[in-house]
Formats: sequence, structure tokens, C-alpha cells
Amino acid sequence: AQTVTQSQPEMSVQEAETVTLSCTYDTSENNYYLFWYKQPPSRQMILVIRQEAYKQQNATENRFSVNFQKAAKSFSLKISDSQLGDTAMYFCAFRYNDMRFGAGTRLTVKP
Amino acid sequence: NAGVTQTPKFQVLKTGQSMTLQCAQDMNHNSMYWYRQDPGMGLRLIYYSASEGTTDKGEVPNGYNVSRLNKREFSLRLESAAPSQTSVYFCASSERREFSGYTFGSGTRLTVV
Repeated sequence: AQTVTQSQPEMSVQEAETVTLSCTYDTSENNYYLFWYKQPPSRQMILVIRQEAYKQQNATENRFSVNFQKAAKSFSLKISDSQLGDTAMYFCAFRYNDMRFGAGTRLTVKP
Repeated sequence: NAGVTQTPKFQVLKTGQSMTLQCAQDMNHNSMYWYRQDPGMGLRLIYYSASEGTTDKGEVPNGYNVSRLNKREFSLRLESAAPSQTSVYFCASSERREFSGYTFGSGTRLTVV
């Protein structure tokens, strides 16, 4: 079974700075998909970014980018120019058939 | 707005009571899912339905049943609620293609006393 580990339960960052959230996963599959979801206090789950395992190029979406290291089974999320609205829980997720989630990292952006 | 609609948003049950959580999507997605979210544990898959007419167990199916009523609707039933089922429940849907992320409902906060 696939497992997803987020080793940082909580993190904080000053507004306008850069922060990186870590994620590792375990799988024997070769082709799969990885995602980062954001959950603000509203509880809504919002897709932030996705990565196909067969692509070496790291995905980027505006201020959000990933560092995907397939051999190391690592998938970190970098948030540049952090904004107060980035304060949320962030979940790393692995999809092969269904989707499995990590325990989450609570990010606080401080003014 | 297109998306996934869950009802109710909040519910308090007494131990032993039963209830059904409703979920409907209007995006013509084939696959639907039920997750529960608990502090420090992320989202855990309860049941899923890869397509209309099929359902399968996820990581934590005990104490739950599901029904894929049609392509749009996927309900989750608690036959005899227990305090351990206090959680936030999310329904989600997706295309069958694995590249697709999930679209989530807004969640149901369930408290069993």
C-alpha cells in the first residue's frame, strides 16, 4: 500500500519570504501522480499543484513550485513571496487508482 | 456553481443512531469517494466508487456502508454511530484518469455523543 509522510506538523513564515513543505511517499509503482492541496479555515480542499511521475520537469503554478525527486520518493512544495492568504493546512497526496494523503502541515504566514 | 454538494454540513448524533450523508456531483465524473479527516491523520479513504454500479472498500471501511445511487450521487451511511466516528467527512469526485485531481465537497462535521 502507498503511504505519504509529511514530517512537519506545523511551520511558520514571514510574509513575503519563501517556505518549503516536505513530503515523502512510498510506492512500488512507476507511473503515478502527486498533488498538493490547500485547506484554509473554510475547510474547502483546493488543488494547488500536480506532478506526473513520468515527467522530470518540476511543476510550477505562479508562486507555487515543487521539487520532485523520483528516486528519493520526495515531493516538496515551495511557496515564494508568501502571503497572509497562504495560511492553511497543506496536504501532500499520491494517486495510483485512488488518492492517499499525508497527515498535513499547518502553515502560518506572519505579517 | 458546478461541483460537489454534501449535506448536511453539521450533524450531532447520539451513540447508536443512524444517519446517511448525501453527496452529489454535476461534473459527469465517473469516480466518487468518501474520506474522513481527523487531526494529525490527514484524510483517510472510507469507500470509493470507480464507476456507477461499483463500490470498493478503502482504508477505514468498518462501521460504514455506501450506495452509488446513480452517476451523480454517492451516499455514506452510518448504521450505528459510535464516538470514534466523530470526524469531518468529505465527498470527492474525479475523472477516471489518474492525472485528474479530485474535486471536494465542503465537508460534513459529525459529532457522536
